[in-house]
Amino acid sequence: QLQLQESGPGLVKPSETLSLICTVSGDSSSSSSYYWGWIRQPPGKGLEWIGSIFHGGRIYYNSSLKSRVTISGDTSKNQFSLTLSSVTAADTAVYYCARHSIAAAGLYNWFDPWGQGTLVTVSS
Amino acid sequence: QSVLTQPPSASGTPGQGVIISCSGSSSNIGRNYVNWYQQLPGAAPRFLIYSNDQRPSGVPERFSGSKSGTSASLAISGLQSEDESDYYCATWDDSLNGPVFGGGTKLTVL
Repeated sequence: QLQLQESGPGLVKPSETLSLICTVSGDSSSSSSYYWGWIRQPPGKGLEWIGSIFHGGRIYYNSSLKSRVTISGDTSKNQFSLTLSSVTAADTAVYYCARHSIAAAGLYNWFDPWGQGTLVTVSS
Repeated sequence: QSVLTQPPSASGTPGQGVIISCSGSSSNIGRNYVNWYQQLPGAAPRFLIYSNDQRPSGVPERFSGSKSGTSASLAISGLQSEDESDYYCATWDDSLNGPVFGGGTKLTVL
């Protein structure tokens, strides 16, 4: 059974860079056929997609965050990472990683499974 | 402000049915399949419905989805206390070139 686990600092100072890693374990034999995505959820609010990376390197970013976001992958370690620069209090959220199935230019797309999420607080 | 519009809350009594709506536009729901996620308090979202009306393995038949034009709906029949949760619709937006979510609906089982 495929499992995802987010890891990284729980506290980041304003104007600094947030960095998280998602480790994929279990049945990762088909990992090259999927995208791998990041989604966040501010406390008490809804879900916001951040971006997704494909095994071959293609990356989609949320245009509202694109100037501050970098997503990369390390297939040798079954990991993919997220960096978000110049953070503010508005970036305080639970950050989830998930396997992202995308087909037919988005006609079909869904996130499953999800990691348990990690809370990142931006505060001095 | 979410791209997809959901009512912030819904409620029902045990055994009843409830419908949660999700409204979008021609660039998202109008062109692409809709998915639904259930998020229990303090937990990660769970994949509930995909491609408008398909249930992943393990999802009870009490949950069903539908889509018409630029709107979609999630129906839950025979409400149970454990259905009390937040529900999110999602799809791809061709104009934004990425997935978008609804603002979520908090379901209360009275």
